[in-house]
Amino acid sequence: AQSVTQLDSQVPVFEEAPVELRCNYSSSVSVYLFWYVQYPNQGLQLLLKYLSGSTLVKGINGFEAEFNKSQTSFHLRKPSVHISDTAEYFCAVTPSGLTGGGNKLTFGTGTQLKVEL
Amino acid sequence: NAGVTQTPKFRILKIGQSMTLQCTQDMNHNYMYWYRQDPGMGLKLIYYSVGAGITDKGEVPNGYNVSRSTTEDFPLRLELAAPSQTSVYFCASKHSGQGSYNEQFFGPGTRLTVL
Repeated sequence: AQSVTQLDSQVPVFEEAPVELRCNYSSSVSVYLFWYVQYPNQGLQLLLKYLSGSTLVKGINGFEAEFNKSQTSFHLRKPSVHISDTAEYFCAVTPSGLTGGGNKLTFGTGTQLKVEL
Repeated sequence: NAGVTQTPKFRILKIGQSMTLQCTQDMNHNYMYWYRQDPGMGLKLIYYSVGAGITDKGEVPNGYNVSRSTTEDFPLRLELAAPSQTSVYFCASKHSGQGSYNEQFFGPGTRLTVL
């Protein structure tokens, strides 16, 4: 089984400042990792994903994340945030092998990013 | 492509009533999922399906039922609504392949209140 920990439930940051949203995971098997964003009253949208290869993954809207296998982390970063980045961000994992289990995602509890002027 | 669509957007139920949340996708995805989202809890998987006629329980299936008679549709049924089922429900779908196909696409959600 997998688990995901997002320790920060809320992260306030001023516009144009850098931000890091932390994600740690636990799994006995290799995993794929994802970050989803949820804008108010909307569904989830994929920001980026790590499947294999380079551990630095670039996504949409200027976000990037780095996979660190030894620390079992997949932190999300943006060098300069905008008001429009205010949203909830979810980290998720799924086993990378063909498990026959429907490739279920396990989500973290989310981090609310609030960008202030 | 409309992607994943869900109806209704909002619904208020009385305790003990029943209802069906509809989910349709037009991407020919074999895999479909139902999640519930509660504040501070992230998303929890209720049921999932790997193809027409095949469904299985997720993490929190009690009080819900599903069916999958077609590739496109994956309705979620609440038989006896309870206040604990007040939540936002999301449907998602995914291609059955691995690798670059590994992305779930989400619908806009149904906000359900049980009073």
